[in-house]
Parts: sequence; C-alpha cells; structure tokens
Amino acid sequence: AQKVTQAQTEISVVEKEDVTLDCVYETRDTTYYLFWYKQPPSGELVFLIRRNSFDEQNEISGRYSWNFQKSTSSFNFTITASQVVDSAVYFCALTRSYGSGNTGKLIFGQGTTLQVKP
Amino acid sequence: KAGVTQTPRYLIKTRGQQVTLSCSPISGHRSVSWYQQTPGQGLQFLFEYFSETQRNKGNFPGRFSGRQFSNSRSEMNVSTLELGDSALYLCASSQTGTGDVRGNSPLHFGNGTRLTVT
Repeated sequence: AQKVTQAQTEISVVEKEDVTLDCVYETRDTTYYLFWYKQPPSGELVFLIRRNSFDEQNEISGRYSWNFQKSTSSFNFTITASQVVDSAVYFCALTRSYGSGNTGKLIFGQGTTLQVKP
Repeated sequence: KAGVTQTPRYLIKTRGQQVTLSCSPISGHRSVSWYQQTPGQGLQFLFEYFSETQRNKGNFPGRFSGRQFSNSRSEMNVSTLELGDSALYLCASSQTGTGDVRGNSPLHFGNGTRLTVT
C-alpha cells in the first residue's frame, strides 16, 4: 500500500527564517512520482514540483529547495528566508507510474500548515 | 492560458438532495480527476476520466458518480446527500494523467466547490 506521512501538523516561524517541511512516503513500486502542492486560503492546490523515483538530484527554485532521498524514503521541502506570503498548507503527494492503472490518483499526506509571522 | 475552472464555488444543500458540480479543464488537457477534501480525511481521490472514459476510481459509494464530455469538461454528481458529504471538492486536469512516464504531466487544480449539506 502507498502512504505519505507529514508528521508536522503546524509550523510557525518568523519572517526570514528558514523552514523545512518533512515528507516520508511508503511504496513498493520501483517507479513512482512525488509532488509538493501549496494550498493558500483560496483553496486552490498550486503545483510546486514533481520528481520521479529515478531522479534523486536535489532541486532549487528561488527560495524553494527539495531534498529527495530514496534511502530514507523522504522528500523534504525547504523554504529559505520565509515570507508572509508563504503562509499556506503544504501537501506532499505520491502517485504510481502510468502503467500501474492508477492514473490521476495522488496519495496525499495530511498536510503541514505553515504560518509565517511578520 | 486559463486555469481549471470549477462551478459553482459554493453550494448549500439539504440531506437527501442531489448535486452536480462542474469542471472545465485547462485547454488541451484530456484527463480530469476529482478529489474530496475534508478536515478529518484530508484529500481523497474520487475518480479520473480520460477521453470520456472513467479510468480509475477511488473508494467512494456509488452515490458519487461522474462523467466527461467530448470537450473534456467534466461533471460529478452526488445523489442522496448525507451530512458527511460536506467538503471541498477539487477538480484537477492534466494532459494525459499524472503518472505518465512519457512527460511532465502534473495535476493542475481548480479553486474547488465548497459543498455544505444541512
């Protein structure tokens, strides 16, 4: 069975602090995809990143960076120099590959609510 | 390019009634997925449609159904509403389905429809 665990329910930081959101996943598949989504108060899930299981390179996009480690089944997300606009709920998600008959289905973690205070 | 559009944004219904929610995907996207989001259960997959065919279905009762039209627009219907159906219903579209190994096809979500059942 597939599972995504985001152990941090809520995190509160002061603006300009760095913050890391943890994500641990479980799957028996050798090919899978991991995602991070941001959900602001408006409700829309905003796509941040997609990573396939064969690509363990870390990625940086502006103030955002992601650390993917298959050895520990983790896909952590770091925001550097956080800003108030980063306040949202962040979801980590997992999906199987196309040929596994699970198209369109993401397994989401419970989400981490990040509050960045000015 | 316009994003995923869901209508209506808010709905209030009474137990026993039925409801239809609408989703217009991003132009060119042929896969549409539906998710239910509640505080207790989090984000859960309902079903996915591609080229008017349901390709995948989550663990929801038969009261939840959907369809997709030839222009890729999708509707989901919930019959005999129960109080527990109160939730944010999110629609997502992608080009081929999020597990497609052939390319980058993440899910792009709409703002959702907030359904309240009284």
